[in-house]
Amino acid sequence: RKEVEQDPGPFNVPEGATVAFNCTYSNSASQSFFWYRQDCRKEPKLLMSVYSSGNEDGRFTAQLNRASQYISLLIRDSKLSDSATYLCVVPRGATNKLIFGTGTLLAVQP
Amino acid sequence: DAGVTQSPTHLIKTRGQHVTLRCSPISGHKSVSWYQQVLGQGPQFIFQYYEKEERGRGNFPDRFSARQFPNYSSELNVNALLLGDSALYLCASRPDRGLQPGAYGYTFGSGTRLTVV
Repeated sequence: RKEVEQDPGPFNVPEGATVAFNCTYSNSASQSFFWYRQDCRKEPKLLMSVYSSGNEDGRFTAQLNRASQYISLLIRDSKLSDSATYLCVVPRGATNKLIFGTGTLLAVQP
Repeated sequence: DAGVTQSPTHLIKTRGQHVTLRCSPISGHKSVSWYQQVLGQGPQFIFQYYEKEERGRGNFPDRFSARQFPNYSSELNVNALLLGDSALYLCASRPDRGLQPGAYGYTFGSGTRLTVV
């Protein structure tokens, strides 16, 4: 089993739709989590951090379920500019190296 | 402030050659990490350096090495290049721990795209 697992998608949604991605992690000791956004052929950029039960930033909501070991990302009122790959990331170990999922591809259609 | 800067942006090398990739972290960031991202996958951890010392190493062969300089910039070296080393190499830096959780996330450079032919 991979440490961090995501549905690779693609998720094709119309503008204005609400879309949710799930991510499961295997290390029950993990305390913090991140969602990164990566545009095609660009570097990952930090979208949200999750430390407690959840975090909200505008149209984006991240939720953490420690009992089931999954993190979700909800995007409301999708925009064309939201089209990207969303990477679920779990830091591990004393050095907090980042363990990435394979990413979920979102394509928002006009 | 400048973000994480990497050079070169693109590189084409022949099998068996070696390559040196460079990274300058955000000013004040002492922690630098290197990641390899092959097409269709998430980035994979290669090395982490803090205060010029190696603090972590991923599951990569000894052909991969790195170092960090007194100004916190870093180099990643790869010897005896293989076709499978073709990837986007990302450098990331972050502030010291103890800051607010929001500062905990890594900032990535735009990467070096290495093609081995």
